[in-house]
Amino acid sequence: NAGVMQNPRHLVRRRGQEARLRCSPMKGHSHVYWYRQLPEEGLKFMVYLQKENIIDESGMPKERFSAEFPKEGPSILRIQQVVRGDSAAYFCASSQRQGAVTEAFFGQGTRLTVV
Amino acid sequence: AQKVTQAQTEISVVEKEDVTLDCVYETRDTTYYLFWYKQPPSGELVFLIRRNSFDEQNEISGRYSWNFQKSTSSFNFTITASQVVDSAVYFCALSDQTGANNLFFGTGTRLTVIP
Repeated sequence: NAGVMQNPRHLVRRRGQEARLRCSPMKGHSHVYWYRQLPEEGLKFMVYLQKENIIDESGMPKERFSAEFPKEGPSILRIQQVVRGDSAAYFCASSQRQGAVTEAFFGQGTRLTVV
Repeated sequence: AQKVTQAQTEISVVEKEDVTLDCVYETRDTTYYLFWYKQPPSGELVFLIRRNSFDEQNEISGRYSWNFQKSTSSFNFTITASQVVDSAVYFCALSDQTGANNLFFGTGTRLTVIP
């Protein structure tokens, strides 16, 4: 029973490129949460999605960032025209029940480096 | 507003010493959850404990113990007889009904256990 899988584990992008981060939730989980951890800081909530729906995106930057969780396939966090300040670890968590972040399991994170 | 404060940025102890990591939280809700996570140098997030606001019993798991005190809004974490493998960043987090879709993390305490 695989846990939450994130890939890639490490991603290097040049300024101005696009970054796509993938998150496959645990089997049977249909709720996904994305968090960002800036260097030397705690994790901060970005967005909560159910399949085909964005439920809460109150933590998403207004520009360049988007997230989706299609009916089939992994959840994708997309960052367009990356800048140095986007360098961070991005964590995904999944839960079986709606809004049950208290029962969520975290993936291993994707470390994005913008050069 | 929700807030988690981990005042200790870095702690160093010598192996076999006991160490306590402090966590103070703020919330207006009467129902909430508190968490501790460990982030080793490899970067993943390891779940340690979840405690709900109605359960004030202290908990012990091997060398780990947690002291939950609602009167002081604290949820402190003690490692007994520390080991080098305990070296990591430890995060305290809060989830309450107001922010039911996300976890509020503290800024973490970096623990270094010196052999």
